[in-house]
Amino acid sequence: AQKVTQAQTEISVVEKEDVTLDCVYETRDTTYYLFWYKQPPSGELVFLIRRNSFDEQNEISGRYSWNFQKSTSSFNFTITASQVVDSAVYFCALDDRGSTLGRLYFGRGTQLTVWP
Amino acid sequence: DSGVTQTPKHLITATGQRVTLRCSPRSGDLSVYWYQQSLDQGLQFLIQYYNGEERAKGNILERFSAQQFPDLHSELNLSSLELGDSALYFCASSVGPMNTEAFFGQGTRLTVV
Repeated sequence: AQKVTQAQTEISVVEKEDVTLDCVYETRDTTYYLFWYKQPPSGELVFLIRRNSFDEQNEISGRYSWNFQKSTSSFNFTITASQVVDSAVYFCALDDRGSTLGRLYFGRGTQLTVWP
Repeated sequence: DSGVTQTPKHLITATGQRVTLRCSPRSGDLSVYWYQQSLDQGLQFLIQYYNGEERAKGNILERFSAQQFPDLHSELNLSSLELGDSALYFCASSVGPMNTEAFFGQGTRLTVV
């Protein structure tokens, strides 16, 4: 069973538009961590955020914000006023502890293209 | 720069061959994780080492093996290579045995021809 689902395979927006990337996760554990990573065309995985399951407070970092809702098992990522440099594949990931300590389950990623 | 160093960045080899991918973790990190990114399977966890010991195993083929050395660098050995092994291989590191924050290297792109 897929532990992390990113239903949006590709999203295209025009610069300055806001865009939300969806992430739905599945776990039976009460302690878990959620991550977002960015993979630009150059290929590296850039860590964006880590959120633990006990902290449902939304977080904002510049143009980035994250909305964590345990009730719907979602951890969505919004980019405000998108820029061309935001074009990348974005991955949501889950570390659900349980019997799988130390590994991340990744979603399939969302390819974001921001047009000038 | 994540502080995790992977070499080489690119590797092209023929089917049936054996290659070794190398990873140096961030200074102070004791855990090393290996992931494979392919078009078919996406990003998948292969194996984790913590302070020289294997700690967790994922979808790693028997043809693949890894180890972590006393200086904490790790090597992923891929043998009897097949075309389907072509992928981007990532190494990540973290301080402790649990993946509370994982910083990834730039990856090694392996092409099997």
